[in-house]
Amino acid sequence: DAGVIQSPRHEVTEMGQEVTLRCKPISGHDYLFWYRQTMMRGLELLIYFNNNVPIDDSGMPEDRFSAKMPNASFSTLKIQPSEPRDSAVYFCASSERTVLYEQYFGPGTRLTVT
Amino acid sequence: KNQVEQSPQSLIILEGKNCTLQCNYTVSPFSNLRWYKQDTGRGPVSLTIMTFSENTKSNGRYTATLDADTKQSSLHITASQLSDSASYICVVSGGGYSTLTFGKGTMLLVSP
Repeated sequence: DAGVIQSPRHEVTEMGQEVTLRCKPISGHDYLFWYRQTMMRGLELLIYFNNNVPIDDSGMPEDRFSAKMPNASFSTLKIQPSEPRDSAVYFCASSERTVLYEQYFGPGTRLTVT
Repeated sequence: KNQVEQSPQSLIILEGKNCTLQCNYTVSPFSNLRWYKQDTGRGPVSLTIMTFSENTKSNGRYTATLDADTKQSSLHITASQLSDSASYICVVSGGGYSTLTFGKGTMLLVSP
């Protein structure tokens, strides 16, 4: 398996623009997670899905952030409108329920909002 | 509030030397603790996972210990290599994905 796939790897955008990050989880994994990582706050869980259904979105910072999982092999994280403080690395991860919560992370998308 | 504190924040050691990284947590209830290695520009990769009943677990040159009574864990790296240069993140679970609490990591640099 190719592992978790994320695109784009790097995104530079101007404040106010819409940003869409994409993720393809490992085939057969029931759970999908979106994380944000910054130097100041470390890794933060934004939202996670189980069988395409959002389970916990309490980590989503504000209404500007939204996430969808239309099918088992694809998820998006959208920021609209983007702000400079959204600059961070966004990771997608997937997991099998039976493996003691082990998560497999993608390579991340480095987002810069100017 | 659940918290995971890691120390030191950063560390520089010479190649071939050993080192120990620390993780203290206040997560309750406790289910398991995991150490991740994150290379620069990549996602974290799991090194070890320990449940309540486990005291020590090894993965090659990496050995993790857990003291559930004092809520402390350590990651010991033996005979360090240049490829060990990375950030090491401690993650504690209270029993569900929503309870995962991440430390901010220790940045290790192994110098030749």
